Amino acid sequence: SQQGEEDPQALSIQEGENATMNCSYKTSINNLQWYRQNSGRGLVHLILIRSNEREKHSGRLRVTLDTSKKSSSLLITASRAADTASYFCATTTGGYQKVTFGTGTKLQVIP
Amino acid sequence: DAMVIQNPRYQVTQFGKPVTLSCSQTLNHNVMYWYQQKSSQAPKLLFHYYDKDFNNEADTPDNFQSRRPNTSFCFLDIRSPGLGDAAMYLCATSRDTGQGLHYGYTFGSGTRLTVV
Repeated sequence: SQQGEEDPQALSIQEGENATMNCSYKTSINNLQWYRQNSGRGLVHLILIRSNEREKHSGRLRVTLDTSKKSSSLLITASRAADTASYFCATTTGGYQKVTFGTGTKLQVIP
Repeated sequence: DAMVIQNPRYQVTQFGKPVTLSCSQTLNHNVMYWYQQKSSQAPKLLFHYYDKDFNNEADTPDNFQSRRPNTSFCFLDIRSPGLGDAAMYLCATSRDTGQGLHYGYTFGSGTRLTVV
């Protein structure tokens, strides 16, 4: 079953602009992750934020988590054409490592 | 470099002809997963191995089976592929220390299966 839904489904921006993607989920989580997938490739883990954390940074990535609203956002600053990919949020629930993926946001960065 | 390797990258099989996809890892992770991803959709978990223990998802068709002969290798067997089984199949690994997931999964590059 789908745990997360992402918004928007697709996003097109100019190089240099910031890109923001949002993820909403349904049940309590242990942590939330963001993955990136280039077309026709496997997923690459970007960042993991625990349920007791509110914000996390990694390079040009900034992730926020609001457990009261069951939502997270991924901000990519100063986007580059190479950031063009699909981005998925994923949640881990219960006492286990099983991860459920959201529906994804397709990001296009125009040079 | 430690990694997750899937072979082949592309697999074409005939309708109803058994096919096996393979995954190997050099990370020594104790958990291995198989996901199915259809075009423009989220990856969907089929099953996973926690060490040698097999865990099937409730909605995974019986047509899909898996084997994990050792820590490094995991196979996905599709006994009688149908046209609806055409998809990208993704293998992933993680390390469970008994304290939850601290790092994300490591994925292979996937095998794109075409059924003709």
